[in-house]
Amino acid sequence: KQEVTQIPAALSVPEGENLVLNCSFTDSAIYNLQWFRQDPGKGLTSLLLIQSSQREQTSGRLNASLDKSSGRSTLYIAASQPGDSATYLCAVGGNSGGSNYKLTFGKGTLLTVNP
Amino acid sequence: EAGVVQSPRYKIIEKKQPVAFWCNPISGHNTLYWYRQNLGQGPELLIRYENEEAVDDSQLPKDRFSAERLKGVDSTLKIQPAELGDSAVYLCASSLGHRGWDTQYFGPGTRLTVL
Repeated sequence: KQEVTQIPAALSVPEGENLVLNCSFTDSAIYNLQWFRQDPGKGLTSLLLIQSSQREQTSGRLNASLDKSSGRSTLYIAASQPGDSATYLCAVGGNSGGSNYKLTFGKGTLLTVNP
Repeated sequence: EAGVVQSPRYKIIEKKQPVAFWCNPISGHNTLYWYRQNLGQGPELLIRYENEEAVDDSQLPKDRFSAERLKGVDSTLKIQPAELGDSAVYLCASSLGHRGWDTQYFGPGTRLTVL
């Protein structure tokens, strides 16, 4: 059974700082990995999707890397802003049995960027 | 483009009462998902539909939970009777298909409180 762990559980940084969020998973037989953002009272927004054959994906100030063999991914946020404050969830896409593709989520990292 | 719509946004009920949640996916999206997110946890898949067919309901507690997606568009998730442990946020998501690269778009969720 796939297990996804995110460290740290919470992070507070001053505005402008660069930061890294970590995600690890136990089963390296994955199709892809996604990073989501969740704002309070709202649904999840997909930030980046990395296919298993890829090493990294970039979108604006965000960069996500994937090391499938070691079961790790990182989300790098450059020049953090107060608007980046949210919970960041890592989700691993794998096979749940048969031909069923399933996302397994971590518990998330609560990020607070202080002005 | 309208996103995934869910209603109600909040629901408070007494235990043993029935409750239903409604979801309207993004137009043209064939795949619809229901997730449950407990406090401080990541979402967990309950059921996935491809058009009107439930193709993965292995995580749905079938003794009290039921779902339907008539006509392959909107969907209803029902709990009868509700228990205290059902308190959670119920998220609906949709995607064009169920291939590994199809991004899932999430609705804002329904926060259920069972007293």
